[in-house]
Amino acid sequence: QSALTQPASVSGSPGQSITISCTGTSSDVGTFDVVSWYQQHPDRAPKLIIYEVIKRPSGVSGRFTGSKSGNTASLTISGLQAEDEAHYYCCSQAGFGGGTKVTVL
Amino acid sequence: DVRLLESGGGLVQRGGSLRLSCTASGYTFDFYAISWVRQAPGKGLEWVSAISGSGGSKYYADSVKGRFTISRDNSENTLYLQMNSLRVDDTAVYYCAKGRQILEWFYGMDVWGQGTTVTVSS
Repeated sequence: QSALTQPASVSGSPGQSITISCTGTSSDVGTFDVVSWYQQHPDRAPKLIIYEVIKRPSGVSGRFTGSKSGNTASLTISGLQAEDEAHYYCCSQAGFGGGTKVTVL
Repeated sequence: DVRLLESGGGLVQRGGSLRLSCTASGYTFDFYAISWVRQAPGKGLEWVSAISGSGGSKYYADSVKGRFTISRDNSENTLYLQMNSLRVDDTAVYYCAKGRQILEWFYGMDVWGQGTTVTVSS
């Protein structure tokens, strides 16, 4: 059982926006601003796309936005593109979420 | 160019041992914490263990505590994971991942190796 709860799958059409949720507890997500997000394409290593809830590493597209409300962090992908089809994982000091498969219709 | 390169994976029998290595290049190794993260076939990511930049603080997931030992040799820019009493459910691709801070691992892992595969047979 994963430390953080994510939906198993989210889908959207090209150009649309989608949001992936990541729910923890008041002991982790709710109190500390340390949630990070990773993108993983098949047979590839994960890639950091968001850290400390809202910060984007250099070189990561501005279409990826992180946020948090209460015990739930969220990743929004705007202007969905075919290359965004991948698994996405959130992470905090409690560990990883179970992952969300994003499908571009 | 910042890089991590894992090695040491392979096939081992249940109850056996294996030592993984991760060699870093392109950055000041002892300035950052570093982790091991694994992924079982067809499954999600699981954080396994982490060590601070100096090596003075070590952290383990409950699933490996008492069986796995993390260490680092800062003079050789190398991270290790000694895995003992291996179980079938330890079968996974093991990644090393560089942290963004010197002490804690969970402020984001910004560089990942390509992974090394560990298979534990029954």
